[in-house]
Amino acid sequence: EVQLVESGGGLVQPGGSLRLSCAASGFTFSTYWMHWVRQAPGKGLVWVSRINSDGSNIGYADSVKGRFTISRDNAKDTLYLQMNSLRAEDTAVYYCASRPSTSHEWTWGQGTLVTVSS
Amino acid sequence: QSALTQPASVSGSPGQSITISCTGTRSDVGTYNLVSWYQQHPGKAPKLMIYEASKRPSGVSYRFSGSKSGNTASLTISGLQAEDEADYYCCSYAGSSTFVFGTGTEVTVL
Repeated sequence: EVQLVESGGGLVQPGGSLRLSCAASGFTFSTYWMHWVRQAPGKGLVWVSRINSDGSNIGYADSVKGRFTISRDNAKDTLYLQMNSLRAEDTAVYYCASRPSTSHEWTWGQGTLVTVSS
Repeated sequence: QSALTQPASVSGSPGQSITISCTGTRSDVGTYNLVSWYQQHPGKAPKLMIYEASKRPSGVSYRFSGSKSGNTASLTISGLQAEDEADYYCCSYAGSSTFVFGTGTEVTVL
């Protein structure tokens, strides 16, 4: 069974940095494509970033391009999101999601809360 | 990367059918068959209900079905049940390794 566990969230000041992790288990991580999606309190889902199975194909939402960096360590079965120059509007629950390379069935983690505030 | 347009709310009585629309553009829904639908209960992670416009994952009730025509995708819930009360979001591939979600629809079972 696919399991994804996010960690690394917390309170950070505007302009600060944070690195989120997503630990994967129950599947062959190195063959799956991975996403980050966020949801501000009381708001809708917003796609943030995607990385393919070997890290050679990456995409970002315009709102985070140049500030956030997605990466993965297939040896550790872990996905990362490095978030720099954080703003109040980045406050959200951040979810990681996975999909097999041969299908578009996404499986989601439970999320980690990031709060950007002074 | 503008959000796909969904109605803010849809309601129906138990046993009825409802349809939620998801309107995009030729750059996303209109070009790619990579539309998915998610159900989200309060405080919970989203759950995949439909992927690739009309495919239903294993374990998802047959009462949920998806379709697409032009720039608009739709999710139909038949035989509405109290447990279907939740928020629903569509999502589409938008090219250049990017995706876009819909604005979300709150479904109320009367």
